[in-house]
Amino acid sequence: GIQVEQSPPDLILQEGANSTLRCNFSDSVNNLQWFHQNPWGQLINLFYIPSGTKQNGRLSATTVATERYSLLYISSSQTTDSGVYFCAVEPNGNDMRFGAGTRLTVKP
Amino acid sequence: KAGVTQTPRYLIKTRGQQVTLSCSPISGHRSVSWYQQTPGQGLQFLFEYFSETQRNKGNFPGRFSGRQFSNSRSEMNVSTLELGDSALYLCASSSGTANTIYFGEGSWLTVV
Repeated sequence: GIQVEQSPPDLILQEGANSTLRCNFSDSVNNLQWFHQNPWGQLINLFYIPSGTKQNGRLSATTVATERYSLLYISSSQTTDSGVYFCAVEPNGNDMRFGAGTRLTVKP
Repeated sequence: KAGVTQTPRYLIKTRGQQVTLSCSPISGHRSVSWYQQTPGQGLQFLFEYFSETQRNKGNFPGRFSGRQFSNSRSEMNVSTLELGDSALYLCASSSGTANTIYFGEGSWLTVV
């Protein structure tokens, strides 16, 4: 089955710093989404981005489908950005395959 | 527009018992999928229903089952609970394939 690898597994930043999270996937996909999991467990949609570039405030994402990777950029990080970021891909049907996540800690 | 609603949020069960979790999708969404999250295995796909039919199934034993009703609400059932079934169970809905999926807050199951 499709493999999804996220890097780095852990990231510690000082407030105000920028960061880049990476997601590599092993096969073509119909869907790619980035999620932020809050401390209570809910997965919050950040981007639906099977290809191209999107921006939402301090966050932006780019997916290069032909090279099978996606990047999530967080600029001017805040303590509220802390949590686990997941990349998930859908090879076919609504069967999302998740990476192991990147745990981000933003220190004040 | 209400989001995906899961009930109950927290529950504790004893080994050997069974449990039923409920999920109400976003209004108009016909696809409901279920995921299990554990510290060891991460987020894993259980199954997906669309218009009352199971379209996809993950690699879980037959003790895990689900169904979807005509109003798109879905339930999942785990029978003969094992300690390893302790997990966060997440439900997601979407309007169809290759569309944004939205997750509920999850149901935290502890098996003792």
